[in-house]
Amino acid sequence: GENVEQHPSTLSVQEGDSAVIKCTYSDSASNYFPWYKQELGKRPQLIIDIRSNVGEKKDQRIAVTLNKTAKHFSLHITETQPEDSAVYFCAANTQGAQKLVFGQGTRLTINP
Amino acid sequence: DSGVTQTPKHLITATGQRVTLRCSPRSGDLSVYWYQQSLDQGLQFLIHYYNGEERAKGNILERFSAQQFPDLHSELNLSSLELGDSALYFCASSVYPGQRGGREQFFGPGTRLTVL
Repeated sequence: GENVEQHPSTLSVQEGDSAVIKCTYSDSASNYFPWYKQELGKRPQLIIDIRSNVGEKKDQRIAVTLNKTAKHFSLHITETQPEDSAVYFCAANTQGAQKLVFGQGTRLTINP
Repeated sequence: DSGVTQTPKHLITATGQRVTLRCSPRSGDLSVYWYQQSLDQGLQFLIHYYNGEERAKGNILERFSAQQFPDLHSELNLSSLELGDSALYFCASSVYPGQRGGREQFFGPGTRLTVL
């Protein structure tokens, strides 16, 4: 069935350094790849998304890259700050875009 | 505030019982999605409704069912509850994703279900 694998499950970086989270997907028909941030006790919120007709997208300190051939996509956060500490989820759409399958999440900790 | 509302916020019940979780989507959104998030787990897709019709189903247990009403609010019914059903249940809404790609899903605050 459809599957999204996310690595690493935990990531700890020093404030100011970069963080990279990687995901792979199984459905070659997937064409939408969002990233969500979930702070403790809060709802997931979209931070950036990318569609299959684009290889890279950037929004200030956050960027996402997509390699359709290899079926993987990555989230890059530069100049990390303490407020970036959260759980990050990648996702891919499937079943004719009617369903989002989420990765297992990455708990990112920014050390001051 | 995402504009998606969910009630109740917390629910504590016993094994074997039945509960109903309610979700109201953002104004104008016709798609509603339900997710289950167990402790330290990811978001497990349960079901997607669009304008009253079921559009996709995940690994939703037969004890679980959902519907979307004409006013677009949705309800998730969980029956014969087991301890393992304890989780955070999120509802999300979006405009219709179509076939060409997805749309941002806006999540509600969730309902925390505890089965004792």
